[in-house]
Amino acid sequence: GAVVSQHPSRVICKSGTSVKIECRSLDFQATTMFWYRQFPKQSLMLMATSNEGSKATYEQGVEKDKFLINHASLTLSTLTVTSAHPEDSSFYICSARGLGQRNSPLHFGNGTRLTVT
Amino acid sequence: KQEVTQIPAALSVPEGENLVLNCSFTDSAIYNLQWFRQDPGKGLTSLLLIQSSQREQTSGRLNASLDKSSGRSTLYIAASQPGDSATYLCAVRRGGADGLTFGKGTHLIIQP
Repeated sequence: GAVVSQHPSRVICKSGTSVKIECRSLDFQATTMFWYRQFPKQSLMLMATSNEGSKATYEQGVEKDKFLINHASLTLSTLTVTSAHPEDSSFYICSARGLGQRNSPLHFGNGTRLTVT
Repeated sequence: KQEVTQIPAALSVPEGENLVLNCSFTDSAIYNLQWFRQDPGKGLTSLLLIQSSQREQTSGRLNASLDKSSGRSTLYIAASQPGDSATYLCAVRRGGADGLTFGKGTHLIIQP
């Protein structure tokens, strides 16, 4: 149980374009989804927290207008990197938590490797 | 601001050895602590979750301990195998509704 699917696993885009990453909970309803990114040799850093039907809460230093998060349903959250630049190249990964799962392990997708050329 | 440190950053040992990975965190007011493994280019696999009221958790050859007051956790791997080679991440959660704060990980190589 608690499977999180993330798509695509890899994406290469040109500078200035936008990229959408999807995170789906396959066998549970994800009331909360978390988005992280990981630069080489660095730890995973929380970018934002999204609750279904509400606006996302962004961590300090993360531009909400650049990283658009939508969590319109209980099984899908999307992260759109707008006007991507080479410095946005990173590993993006989501995790999800369901109702009543506060004491349960957080489960993660397999991540998306974004390369901006 | 919570900071999580993992020592050592890298470790290479022969197969069969028992080993200990260390994790420390600066703010002891945590909700729980979770250990993960990450394989190259892959997502995270949850290994063990320790609630703030617990002292340890065990799963197979893995045992994780938590000393919340001193801000420390250890992951003990018994009888290591080449398949254990991966990066091991420690992460803490401040509250039940919060995301995780991660360490940089320990890159583990088990030599056949």
